[in-house]
Amino acid sequence: AAGVIQSPRHLIKEKRETATLKCYPIPRHDTVYWYQQGPGQDPQFLISFYEKMQSDKGSIPDRFSAQQFSDYHSELNMSSLELGDSALYFCASSSLGQGRNTIYFGEGSWLTVV
Amino acid sequence: AQSVTQPDIHITVSEGASLELRCNYSYGATPYLFWYVQSPGQGLQLLLKYFSGDTLVQGIKGFEAEFKRSQSSFNLRKPSVHWSDAAEYFCAVGADAGNMLTFGGGTRLMVKP
Repeated sequence: AAGVIQSPRHLIKEKRETATLKCYPIPRHDTVYWYQQGPGQDPQFLISFYEKMQSDKGSIPDRFSAQQFSDYHSELNMSSLELGDSALYFCASSSLGQGRNTIYFGEGSWLTVV
Repeated sequence: AQSVTQPDIHITVSEGASLELRCNYSYGATPYLFWYVQSPGQGLQLLLKYFSGDTLVQGIKGFEAEFKRSQSSFNLRKPSVHWSDAAEYFCAVGADAGNMLTFGGGTRLMVKP
């Protein structure tokens, strides 16, 4: 079965640079979530989108922005990168339109800021 | 606000022994509860979930979990651990089935041969 696809899997950026992570949800899933997992930490919710509209907002820094496109894929844009942004970024998807559902996670994108 | 506590940061068990990972949650209504497993450098894989109904839920890889409302717990169990079960295990709670999740701090499981 198709899963959540994230790209790139690994990314190395310098401080103050910009990075963009992409997420392709499971087909027919209408909701996308972004989570950040720092080294040795549990995943922290950043933001979510339902039908291309922001649905929930967590601990996402103002330097970060995200959107969901008409084909339901999502992009997380991170600017003015700091060393502390180094983390594993998960995208997840679910289908609210199908009633009770489960959130499925991608394998994550490793961002290293140097 | 919802929260999850996993009291054990590390657990070591011998291969073939039984396993129980503890999870306590705080939420005002009936929670949606999940257990995920994360192998080193890998993503989060769903082991099992509880929405309603039978309080003992079966998951993949021989895992099960029991929802106990009176104790606000959702402990994960496995009768016989395999070396491949060594990983980080996260308990998570959601306000709704498709809502954002709040994760516990995780329990790292090590398996001795």
